Amino acid sequence: GENVEQHPSTLSVQEGDSAVIKCTYSDSASNYFPWYKQELGKGPQLIIDIRSNVGEKKDQRIAVTLNKTAKHFSLHITETQPEDSAVYFCAASANGDYKLSFGAGTTVTVRA
Amino acid sequence: DAGVIQSPRHEVTEMGQEVTLRCKPISGHDYLFWYRQTMMRGLELLIYFNNNVPIDDSGMPEDRFSAKMPNASFSTLKIQPSEPRDSAVYFCASSLAGTGGNLVFGPGTRLTVL
Repeated sequence: GENVEQHPSTLSVQEGDSAVIKCTYSDSASNYFPWYKQELGKGPQLIIDIRSNVGEKKDQRIAVTLNKTAKHFSLHITETQPEDSAVYFCAASANGDYKLSFGAGTTVTVRA
Repeated sequence: DAGVIQSPRHEVTEMGQEVTLRCKPISGHDYLFWYRQTMMRGLELLIYFNNNVPIDDSGMPEDRFSAKMPNASFSTLKIQPSEPRDSAVYFCASSLAGTGGNLVFGPGTRLTVL
């Protein structure tokens, strides 16, 4: 089965700085890579996703890059704000397979 | 839309008791998922349904766990008998065919088994 590894497990950044979270996956058949944000006491919420036919996708302050050859993908948050503090999860799945395999999560803390 | 609705939000029970968690997916979504979240194991997929039919239950840990989806608007996850190691947050999520992994999660049920 798919194995997704996520680093770092915790990340503390100064407000306004950038944050980068990296994930690797094992199954070369995986072609869908979403990122979820989980705030305290809530369920994970999809914030951005990328499919294997593109290498990069951006939505305002967040962007995701994908390197299929190396089997890794990353989340970039620019100009971080206090409301970006949360746990972020990467995930992967193969086409037509609704079984998402999640990374272990990264706790991001934005210091004011 | 009110989103995915789960009940109860918190459940405290004693070992050996039966626990039933409930979920109402988003109207029109044809996939429903049950996940369990713990510090040690992260987010684990327990089972998922498509059009009320269980597709993959390979993540269900033991026979003590069972899930049903009698109709498109309701699903249950039952644990009988419950054990302390079942303590976790259980999430229900739903999605629409064609959106791949675009899951919409509910707020979760925090289960504590004493």
